[in-house]
Amino acid sequence: DAGVTQSPTHLIKTRGQHVTLRCSPISGHKSVSWYQQVLGQGPQFIFQYYEKEERGRGNFPDRFSARQFPNYSSELNVNALLLGDSALYLCASSLSALEHTQYFGPGTRLTVL
Amino acid sequence: EDQVTQSPEALRLQEGESSSLNCSYTVSGLRGLFWYRQDPGKGPEFLFTLYSAGEEKEKERLKATLTKKESFLHITAPKPEDSATYLCAVQASQGGSEKLVFGKGMKLTVNP
Repeated sequence: DAGVTQSPTHLIKTRGQHVTLRCSPISGHKSVSWYQQVLGQGPQFIFQYYEKEERGRGNFPDRFSARQFPNYSSELNVNALLLGDSALYLCASSLSALEHTQYFGPGTRLTVL
Repeated sequence: EDQVTQSPEALRLQEGESSSLNCSYTVSGLRGLFWYRQDPGKGPEFLFTLYSAGEEKEKERLKATLTKKESFLHITAPKPEDSATYLCAVQASQGGSEKLVFGKGMKLTVNP
């Protein structure tokens, strides 16, 4: 079975632009979470979605938004990019919002110049 | 505030030299403690979930244990392919969602 997939793999943007990252969960998983990982740090929670509804949000500015589609795939949008947004963006899926084990995708490496 | 601290930050071992990684945590109501392995530029790979003090799980050369305040990842007779960053995370409940709170990770290098 395919694991969590993310696209694109790499992305280079300039300050002020916006970006859309995409994630497809493991088949049968209905919850998707997004994390940001800067170099040398552990992943930081951004959002969790379950059944197309936001279930949780981390300490990130309103420039970050996300949504989940009827097929449980998800998009993460970041507006007005800053240099500090450069990071590896990880998507994780789980069976449900309360299912404990989250499985991660390969990530999207975003570089903001 | 939920917090995870991993030590040491980096560890170099010779092939076959066993050691342990420490993960201490503070969380309001532990719902699960997780260990992941992460290779450079890739997403974390799930290793173990532990739910209660005293629980142990094993996978090949790795064994994870859990107490009320910390978890250990024991690596027995490591091989160079065990070189990676090992991440510890706790599951924290936040208003109906289940977010993972991660430590900074521990970079393990196993020399042949």
